Amino acid sequence: TQLLEQSPQFLSIQEGENLTVYCNSSSVFSSLQWYRQEPGEGPVLLVTVVTGGEVKKLKRLTFQFGDARKDSSLHITAAQPGDTGLYLCAGDNTDKLIFGTGTRLQVFP
Amino acid sequence: DAGITQSPRHKVTETGTPVTLRCHQTENHRYMYWYRQDPGHGLRLIHYSYGVKDTDKGEVSDGYSVSRSKTEDFLLTLESATSSQTSVYFCAISAFSNTEAFFGQGTRLTVV
Repeated sequence: TQLLEQSPQFLSIQEGENLTVYCNSSSVFSSLQWYRQEPGEGPVLLVTVVTGGEVKKLKRLTFQFGDARKDSSLHITAAQPGDTGLYLCAGDNTDKLIFGTGTRLQVFP
Repeated sequence: DAGITQSPRHKVTETGTPVTLRCHQTENHRYMYWYRQDPGHGLRLIHYSYGVKDTDKGEVSDGYSVSRSKTEDFLLTLESATSSQTSVYFCAISAFSNTEAFFGQGTRLTVV
């Protein structure tokens, strides 16, 4: 069992729809990061959330860190085909960076 | 782009043979990580290093060993490759354990 579980595992939607991806753990993290990975490439950082309850916005993407710092969510408004990719959350666990199970998003035009 | 290079990019090897993957960085970052990526599992940490000669196990370390004799190089060795080790391997670097991780391009390893 991985420390960080993401849901859903797969998401296939039409352009213009909204979606939310969840990242959950039973452990407390000092911070959580969200990455996006495209085929054939390594993951690239989107955002880091540090404070419990924190909300960060990156254009159409909204990231929230749970009050207890055990979970996080990523909400995309009006998804576009360019949002297609694998979304990964990651947390610092006793001096090492652990990644979640990933959510593969496909946005169709 | 962060200076991080993995080699080789692709490798096919036979079961039972030793394999070494190399990660080289030019950023002088303290932390280096080896992950494997398989469908449905995201990225799973194999081993990591927090300094020269300072390494520790991750979530899936069985069958793997690592070495870091210089800041810039982190080697991952499969002592006796098995088919279950067929995967895409990513190296990552970061200045601290809770700061942005920069990834290499990945190594696709196939064990036949």
